[in-house]
Amino acid sequence: GIQVEQSPPDLILQEGANSTLRCNFSDSVNNLQWFHQNPWGQLINLFYIPSGTKQNGRLSATTVATERYSLLYISSSQTTDSGVYFCAVVGYNQGGKLIFGQGTELSVKP
Amino acid sequence: NAGVTQTPKFQVLKTGQSMTLQCAQDMNHEYMSWYRQDPGMGLRLIHYSVGAGITDQGEVPNGYNVSRSTTEDFPLRLLSAAPSQTSVYFCASSYGTGTYEQYFGPGTRLTVT
Repeated sequence: GIQVEQSPPDLILQEGANSTLRCNFSDSVNNLQWFHQNPWGQLINLFYIPSGTKQNGRLSATTVATERYSLLYISSSQTTDSGVYFCAVVGYNQGGKLIFGQGTELSVKP
Repeated sequence: NAGVTQTPKFQVLKTGQSMTLQCAQDMNHEYMSWYRQDPGMGLRLIHYSVGAGITDQGEVPNGYNVSRSTTEDFPLRLLSAAPSQTSVYFCASSYGTGTYEQYFGPGTRLTVT
């Protein structure tokens, strides 16, 4: 099955810094989503981005489907950005089965 | 819209007990699924349903049963709880499979002693 690898596994930032999180996947996909799991455990949808670029406030994401990777950019980080960021994909002919990466744990210090 | 709702939020069971985790959505989504999340890991698919009356197994189905009698509800049953089922359980839904964004409920934290 599809393998999803996220890097880095952990990241510590000072408030105001920028960061880039990466998601590599091993096969073609027709769905790619980024989620933020906050310290209370909730999974928040950030982007649905099987290809192309999207922006939402301080966050943006780019997926290059032909090269099988996606990037999540966080600019001017805030303490509320802390938590775990997950990338998840659905392969072609795999129904709706989301395959999750292991996540990047982000800690933003004041 | 309430989105995807799950009850209970927390549950403690003794080994061998049974229980049902409830999941409901009010978005008229056809596709619903259950995941479990264990410490330090991503989420793994337990069971899923592409519509009322249709269910199938995911990656880790052993020890769990599901049914889908309505579009709105997708309960997950633990027939005889085991400590290995201690986990956080998430329900998700989407309009369909493949190219649709999936939305997750708030989760149920289950401890089996």
